[in-house]
Amino acid sequence: DAGVIQSPRHEVTEMGQEVTLRCKPISGHDYLFWYRQTMMRGLELLIYFNNNVPIDDSGMPEDRFSAKMPNASFSTLKIQPSEPRDSAVYFCASSRAGASGSGKQFFGPGTRLTVL
Amino acid sequence: DQQVKQNSPSLSVQEGRISILNCDYTNSMFDYFLWYKKYPAEGPTFLISISSIKDKNEDGRFTVFLNKSAKHLSLHIVPSQPGDSAVYFCAATTLYFGNEKLTFGTGTRLTIIP
Repeated sequence: DAGVIQSPRHEVTEMGQEVTLRCKPISGHDYLFWYRQTMMRGLELLIYFNNNVPIDDSGMPEDRFSAKMPNASFSTLKIQPSEPRDSAVYFCASSRAGASGSGKQFFGPGTRLTVL
Repeated sequence: DQQVKQNSPSLSVQEGRISILNCDYTNSMFDYFLWYKKYPAEGPTFLISISSIKDKNEDGRFTVFLNKSAKHLSLHIVPSQPGDSAVYFCAATTLYFGNEKLTFGTGTRLTIIP
């Protein structure tokens, strides 16, 4: 299996521009997660989906952030408009649902976003 | 409010010695804990986990200890090897059907000195 695929790997944009990050989860996984990694806050969960339905978006910092999962093999995280404080590494992860949950998530390589 | 805390941002250990990484949590509902390892330019990968019904779980050179009364867990690596140099994240969750949400700490950068 190819693992979780994210694109682009690096994104440099100017303040005010729209940014779209993409993720392809592992086939057969029912859960998809978007995280943001910063030095100060570590790995923060932004939003997660179960069977393409958003379950918890309480970590989405502002209305400028939105996420969609139109099908089981694709998700996007969009920032519009982007700001310098959005600069971070964004990870997508997926997991297979279990009766009691195993907590074991598989992460993509991340997208390093720089907003100038 | 950080519910999972890793108070040491970095740790350096001599090769062959024991590495001990610590993690504290505040939410008493957490009942399952995991450690993830992250190399530069890669995503975190699962390393080891422990349920709250246990106080120790071992996998090769890696052992995780859980002290529920202190809300503290630690990861021991013995012996430490250069390939162990990475950032280690502690994570916690509450096990119930349908929940796959993890709360992560800020990470500890471990450097193994040859």
